[in-house]
Parts: sequence; structure tokens; C-alpha cells
Amino acid sequence: KNEVEQSPQNLTAQEGEFITINCSYSVGISALHWLQQHPGGGIVSLFMLSSGKKKHGRLIATINIQEKHSSLHITASHPRDSAVYICAAPNYGGSQGNLIFGKGTKLSVKP
Amino acid sequence: ETGVTQTPRHLVMGMTNKKSLKCEQHLGHNAMYWYKQSAKKPLELMFVYSLEERVENNSVPSRFSPECPNSSHLFLHLHTLQPEDSALYLCASSQDLGVRTQYFGPGTRLTVL
Repeated sequence: KNEVEQSPQNLTAQEGEFITINCSYSVGISALHWLQQHPGGGIVSLFMLSSGKKKHGRLIATINIQEKHSSLHITASHPRDSAVYICAAPNYGGSQGNLIFGKGTKLSVKP
Repeated sequence: ETGVTQTPRHLVMGMTNKKSLKCEQHLGHNAMYWYKQSAKKPLELMFVYSLEERVENNSVPSRFSPECPNSSHLFLHLHTLQPEDSALYLCASSQDLGVRTQYFGPGTRLTVL
């Protein structure tokens, strides 16, 4: 079973700050997912990446397959970025759709 | 809107009730999932269906019974639940079981009294 660890658990930032959230996993994977969950509970998939870096607007995700580590960066953070950010990796031995989720990083961006 | 809808959005039930959660996806996907999110715990996969066939059952108690009548609909039938089953139940779908983005519904907030 893959173990997925995220840090930090909670993060408070001032508007405009550069944010980094980290994720590490124990078993080699083909792709890692980053998700965003807003206070109402709805989850949105942000990235699925298997190597290198992906960028979408102010969000950047990177992954280092050899080190089994991924980071999610938010540039010029804004209060609307406040949410829980979750990384997920395929469960070793399960299908690719069988994901193991981290506990999430709760981000609060103050104006 | 992700293209995945869930009803009801909120449900309160007693331990002896029988209820069902419904999920519908409008994306033409072939794989559907049920997840449970309890307070202060990570998302947990419950069931995976591919082309209406159950392919994963993550040691879920039999008081939870999934049903996938077609590739667009997924149900979770609930009976004789316990208060510790109170949680957010999320449905998701993906194109297939490969390395795919999953699209989540808004969830059903379940409270068991």
C-alpha cells in the first residue's frame, strides 16, 4: 500500500505570498494527482502529472519521480485560493483508479 | 460544474432506516467511484466500477451496497448504519481505469442519528 504524506497540515499566508505545499509517497507511481477542496466539500482536480512540471494560471505542480516527491506552488496568492489541497497517488497493487489520498493541507490566505 | 451530480446533498437518517445515494455523470465516462470522507481523515476509496462491473471493494461493510445499473449512474444503498458512518460521501468518474483525471460530484453530507 502506498503511503502519502503532505506538509504542512495547515498554512496561513498573506495575500500575494508565494505558497509551497509538499507531498511525498512511498511506492513508485505512474502519476500523481493534486486536488482542491473548498469549504462546501466540492473537489476539483488541479493536476495529474507523471514527470517534470505543469502550470495552470498561478498554480504550478512539480514532481521528482526518483525522490518520490511532488510540490504544489501558488504564486501571488489570493484569498480565493483558501481551500484544502490534497495530493493522491495510485494504491500499490490496485487499479490506477484506486487512489490513496494525503490528509490535505488547509490553506488560508488573508487579505 | 464538473459534470457529476449527486443527490441528495444532505441526508439525516436513523440507524434503522434504509436510504440510497444517487450519482449521475454526464461526461460519457466508463469508470465511477464512491469515496468516504470522515472528519479529520483522508478521503477513502470505497468502491470502483468500470463498465458497470465492480472492480474494487476496499473492505467496506455490507451495510453499504453499491449498484451501477449503467455507466452513467451509480447508487449507494444504505441500511442499518452506525453513527460513525456519518461523513461526506463523494462520487467521481473518469474516462476509464487508466491514469486519468477524476471528476468529483459535490458530495452528500450524511448524518446518522
